[in-house]
Amino acid sequence: EAQVTQNPRYLITVTGKKLTVTCSQNMNHEYMSWYRQDPGLGLRQIYYSMNVEVTDKGDVPEGYKVSRKEKRNFPLILESPSPNQTSLYFCASGRGQQPQHFGDGTRLSIL
Amino acid sequence: GQQLNQSPQSMFIQEGEDVSMNCTSSSIFNTWLWYKQDPGEGPVLLIALYKAGELTSNGRLTAQFGITRKDSFLNISASIPSDVGIYFCAGLTGGTSYGKLTFGQGTILTVHP
Repeated sequence: EAQVTQNPRYLITVTGKKLTVTCSQNMNHEYMSWYRQDPGLGLRQIYYSMNVEVTDKGDVPEGYKVSRKEKRNFPLILESPSPNQTSLYFCASGRGQQPQHFGDGTRLSIL
Repeated sequence: GQQLNQSPQSMFIQEGEDVSMNCTSSSIFNTWLWYKQDPGEGPVLLIALYKAGELTSNGRLTAQFGITRKDSFLNISASIPSDVGIYFCAGLTGGTSYGKLTFGQGTILTVHP
């Protein structure tokens, strides 16, 4: 079954404590991307990757890091999380440069 | 960054009615995408549009890529209760920002049986 898997699904943590949200896809897609969803703002792209070792900033990259060492994985790293990064996060993958499959989301609360 | 204005923000309709929503931008996009999001889930891709003027259907859904490349619309015909959800448009940039995706704010659709 085609899947984009995010972990964890829920996380409550404190300001400044480094965290990583993992994303894995089993469809051999070149394109992967991360989004945050906030009420009234829709989805905003954080980072995207066109292929292994190729990453670019989206609209809201500040405070986030990504890496693409393998085709199937695209982790999102928050080195020093702050409360304004409390949000619902989605990872997506696809062929070409469009996200066709989204994960089920990760709800982060940073206190 | 670029912005997409999606309207309406919400719609309350009766089952069987047709629905129309649209997105406009001050920027040109190379690709327009339409997604639907159900509560507690990630968005699902409904329709992708690649050329100015293109009209594409997916069952009861029809979407068009505007001639100016700055707008797109989505129509849903004969709505049913399972059409309830949030619909998002998204535009893909070309050139040096190839792969950069901008979403509209979403249209919340409620269908009364």
